[in-house]
Amino acid sequence: EVQLVESGGGLVKPGGSLRLSCAASGFPFTDAWMSWVRQAPGKGLEWVARIKSSASGGTTDYPAPVKGRFTISRDDSENRVHLQMNSLKTEDTALYYCTWVGYHGLLFALWGRGAMVTVSS
Amino acid sequence: EIVLTQSPGTLSLSPGERVTLSCRASQSLSNSYLVWYQQKPGQAPRLLIYAASSRATGIPDRFSGSGSGTDFTLTISRLEPEDFAVYYCQQYGSSPLYSFGQGTKLEIK
Repeated sequence: EVQLVESGGGLVKPGGSLRLSCAASGFPFTDAWMSWVRQAPGKGLEWVARIKSSASGGTTDYPAPVKGRFTISRDDSENRVHLQMNSLKTEDTALYYCTWVGYHGLLFALWGRGAMVTVSS
Repeated sequence: EIVLTQSPGTLSLSPGERVTLSCRASQSLSNSYLVWYQQKPGQAPRLLIYAASSRATGIPDRFSGSGSGTDFTLTISRLEPEDFAVYYCQQYGSSPLYSFGQGTKLEIK
């Protein structure tokens, strides 16, 4: 079965750190570009990180709100992608979805069920 | 930065009706770069339409997308009960690489 399963969410204080993981199965992970997209409670969708496949250079990209604080990485031996989140702010509170980036890197073809991150004192 | 504006914010309709949702971009987009997703309560988004008008695998043909430049639409020809959800458009570009509209909620009248 093609699926993405996130883990590692939880409650963290402002300024703290958290690491999310995503286990991928059912598709050729080593060729896949992967991303994280978040959704604050009751709000819309916001892209937060992308990593290309190792064959494409494994390069990473981030939008301005998280650049320098979030780091996406991948472990092709375990079919996993991670999101290290540092210096967390209350506005980072959201459901974080792991996604498979498809169609030449233009869209999010497959989504996990999400991991909830709450940043609160 | 390209901003996507979806309208209306909420639509109240009945099953069987036809509906057209709008997504307007602040700058002209390549058609290939406009995507639509459906999100039901408590679920992750699901890819519906890519390249402005191509249905994703398994998407019923009552869903269609069209448009070019800055104006794009998603049409559902005949609403089924399972179609009541929130719909998002998304573009691929630069700074940020990916951005979404704020969503249109379809609710049952």
